[in-house]
Amino acid sequence: GDSVTQMEGPVTLSEEAFLTINCTYTATGYPSLFWYVQYPGEGLQLLLKATKADDKGSNKGFEATYRKETTSFHLEKGSVQVSDSAVYFCALSDPSSGNKLVFGAGTILRVKS
Amino acid sequence: NAGVMQNPRHLVRRRGQEARLRCSPMKGHSHVYWYRQLPEEGLKFMVYLQKENIIDESGMPKERFSAEFPKEGPSILRIQQVVRGDSAAYFCASSPAQGANTEAFFGQGTRLTVV
Repeated sequence: GDSVTQMEGPVTLSEEAFLTINCTYTATGYPSLFWYVQYPGEGLQLLLKATKADDKGSNKGFEATYRKETTSFHLEKGSVQVSDSAVYFCALSDPSSGNKLVFGAGTILRVKS
Repeated sequence: NAGVMQNPRHLVRRRGQEARLRCSPMKGHSHVYWYRQLPEEGLKFMVYLQKENIIDESGMPKERFSAEFPKEGPSILRIQQVVRGDSAAYFCASSPAQGANTEAFFGQGTRLTVV
């Protein structure tokens, strides 16, 4: 079945450092790819998405590119802030299976000032 | 337009009791998904419902768990005879339709603790 693998955390960075969180996927169909962010005690918020190969999703300085050849959707940000501290989830959905989301295990990001 | 509303936010139950979790989707949304997040894990799909219909329950445990989304009122996730292993955060998401560009919006979750 479909699955998502993302790098284990926690990832600890200093403010203004460069961030990369790796995500790879396995899918039988042609999925859409997502990054969600979860702040402490809150639900998930969609951060960005991409629906086809070579699409780049971007939002709030974060970006990720849908790479079909490497089945990857790595999250990057050039300069992190303390307020970016959260848990980040990579996910996919296959429209042929009703758009249910398959999530990775999540990566905790801690940004120090 | 209020977001996805889940209640209660926190629920404590003794082993053997029943837990009822409610989810009111965003206005105009007829698709509801339930996910479970065990401690320090990602979210796992449980069930997908449209109004009055269960579309996909492939992630639901075979016993003690049930879900409904009636014509009127919120979607309900019901757990009978809870056990300690049911302790988790349960999230509901809603969307207006299905398709590659349809975003699902999440509620803040219900954190169930079984003592």
